[in-house]
Amino acid sequence: SAVISQKPSRDICQRGTSLTIQCQVDSQVTMMFWYRQQPGQSLTLIATANQGSEATYESGFVIDKFPISRPNLTFSTLTVSNLSPEDSSIYLCSFFVLAGTDTQYFGPGTRLTVL
Amino acid sequence: GIQVEQSPPDLILQEGANSTLRCNFSDSVNNLQWFHQNPWGQLINLFYIPSGTKQNGRLSATTVATERYSLLYISSSQTTDSGVYFCAVGNNQGGKLIFGQGTELSVKP
Repeated sequence: SAVISQKPSRDICQRGTSLTIQCQVDSQVTMMFWYRQQPGQSLTLIATANQGSEATYESGFVIDKFPISRPNLTFSTLTVSNLSPEDSSIYLCSFFVLAGTDTQYFGPGTRLTVL
Repeated sequence: GIQVEQSPPDLILQEGANSTLRCNFSDSVNNLQWFHQNPWGQLINLFYIPSGTKQNGRLSATTVATERYSLLYISSSQTTDSGVYFCAVGNNQGGKLIFGQGTELSVKP
């Protein structure tokens, strides 16, 4: 199966700044997603990263706060803007392989702490 | 939207014990996956199982789609099985998954 990596693995940021998270897959995949996992909580989908077009955001998430890029079929970035302590979470990218089984694989996550 | 409920929320076992984790969902699905999140946060796919039964070593899973539930069985548990087990479902919404709240498993030596 494809290998998925994220950078950075963790970061500590100051309130009001932004953090850009990179997600790289070692083969072309059809669909990529970004999830957030707040402390002690389950995963919530932020958006679907569409190749060559704007991301599709879930209810409660907006492009100004979470701009996403996907310039090709192997790479995507998520920026978390204007950080506040409430943004402290693990952010995970995932991809979806349409190949018989619709299995979704996750990156190792980026653990963000906002002071 | 689909609701996903997992039980129990927490489980403490002695090494060697068996356990059953349950996932109920509120609508028909065509995608159901079980994940294990280890203490370092890594999410590992255990099973893709929208219906039927699968086994992988000490783990097995059964989904009864008509009754809208899935079960994950862990036999002869080991300390490395500790972590959070998530059930996630989808229903033709472009690959999107909806996650349950998880079962936190702690296996004691």
